[in-house]
Amino acid sequence: AQSVTQPDIHITVSEGASLELRCNYSYGATPYLFWYVQSPGQGLQLLLKYFSGDTLVQGIKGFEAEFKRSQSSFNLRKPSVHWSDAAEYFCAVGAPFGNEKLTFGTGTRLTIIP
Amino acid sequence: DAGITQSPRHKVTETGTPVTLRCHQTENHRYMYWYRQDPGHGLRLIHYSYGVKDTDKGEVSDGYSVSRSKTEDFLLTLESATSSQTSVYFCAISPAMTKYNEQFFGPGTRLTVL
Repeated sequence: AQSVTQPDIHITVSEGASLELRCNYSYGATPYLFWYVQSPGQGLQLLLKYFSGDTLVQGIKGFEAEFKRSQSSFNLRKPSVHWSDAAEYFCAVGAPFGNEKLTFGTGTRLTIIP
Repeated sequence: DAGITQSPRHKVTETGTPVTLRCHQTENHRYMYWYRQDPGHGLRLIHYSYGVKDTDKGEVSDGYSVSRSKTEDFLLTLESATSSQTSVYFCAISPAMTKYNEQFFGPGTRLTVL
């Protein structure tokens, strides 16, 4: 069975600083990987996704993520955060071909300080 | 944004009463999902549908039932609500004819069971 671990429950970053949110997955083959963002009181918005090919994936809002098979990781990065990036971030894993379900991590809440 | 609406957006009810939440989509996507979101648990799948009248259980299906009589509507019913079902409920959709199982989320329904 697939699973996702987001080891950081809460991260605080200064505005303008770089950000890295960690995501580790468990799956027997190459999975499909996603990062979603949830602003307070809102639904989830897809930031980026990885299916195959280039292991560095670019997303919306200046985010990127790198798939590292050897570490079973898909960490989310941003070189310089803005106050509007304060939100909760969820990593998710899906299996290709025939399994339409996604498994989500428990989320990382990001706080931005001035 | 994907055309997904959820109704009601907020509901307060009493223990033992039946509750139905509605998810409506205008995208004609084949797959629809119901999740609940609770602190510390991320999103957990309740039920999902892979076509009209075709549904299956997720990881936390006890106490919930679903129905899908039309492509655009997916109903979640709590037959007899309990306080443990106080949560935020999200509907998601995913297109058919793709291997990528990317999901798009609705705005959520906040349910409080007293």
